Amino acid sequence: KQEVTQIPAALSVPEGENLVLNCSFTDSAIYNLQWFRQDHGKGLTSLLLIQSSQREQTSGRLNASLDKSSGRSTLYIAASQPGDSATYLCAVTHNNNDMRFGAGTRLTVKP
Amino acid sequence: SAVISQKPSRDICQRGTSLTIQCQVDSQVTMMFWYRQQPGQSLTLIATANQGSEATYESGFVIDKFPISRPNLTFSTLTVSNMSPEDSSIYLCSVGEGQPQHFGDGTRLSIL
Repeated sequence: KQEVTQIPAALSVPEGENLVLNCSFTDSAIYNLQWFRQDHGKGLTSLLLIQSSQREQTSGRLNASLDKSSGRSTLYIAASQPGDSATYLCAVTHNNNDMRFGAGTRLTVKP
Repeated sequence: SAVISQKPSRDICQRGTSLTIQCQVDSQVTMMFWYRQQPGQSLTLIATANQGSEATYESGFVIDKFPISRPNLTFSTLTVSNMSPEDSSIYLCSVGEGQPQHFGDGTRLSIL
C-alpha cells in the first residue's frame, strides 16, 4: 500500500526566503507525481505535474524534482511571498489512476 | 484544463438527513473521482465514477452511505446519506485521469 509523507508538516518563513518542501513515497512504481496548492477551505489547484520518466518541472518561481528510485520529490519555492501562504499537497498516481495524497505542508510566509 | 463546478459550496445539515452534491465539468471526461477531506487531514478517495457503469468504491466506503450517479460524461452526483457529525468534511470531485488532475472548489459540509 502506497504511503505518502510530507515534511515538514508546517513551515513559517519571512518573505523573500527560498524554501524546500519534501515529499516521500514508499512504492516507486508510480505513473506521475503532482504538487497542489490548497487555500484554507478551498479546493485544490494543480501546480506541477511530473511524469515518472521526468526529473523535474518548473513553473515561474516553482521547481519540482522527482527521484523515483529513492521515492522522493521536492518542491522548491524561490523568493517566497505572503501570497504563497497555503497548504501544499503532493500526490502520486499509479497506472490505475489510484491517487494517494500526503498530509500536506502548511506554509506561512510573513511580510 | 477542465473547469469543474461543485454545488453547493457549503451546507449545514441535521443529523440523519441526506445531501446530494453535484459536480459539473465543462468537457466530457471518462472518469470522475470523489474525495473526502476531514478536518485537518489530507484527501481520501471515496470512489471512482465511470459513465455507464457502477462506481468503484475504496475500502471503508460503501454505496449505501455514498451513492453516486454518473448519468453522462460531464456530470456526477455524490449523496451523503443518513449523516452524522463524523461526516463533517470537505467533499471534492476531480477529473483528469492523472494528466493532470483538476479539482472542484469542494463542498464544505457540517452536520449538527
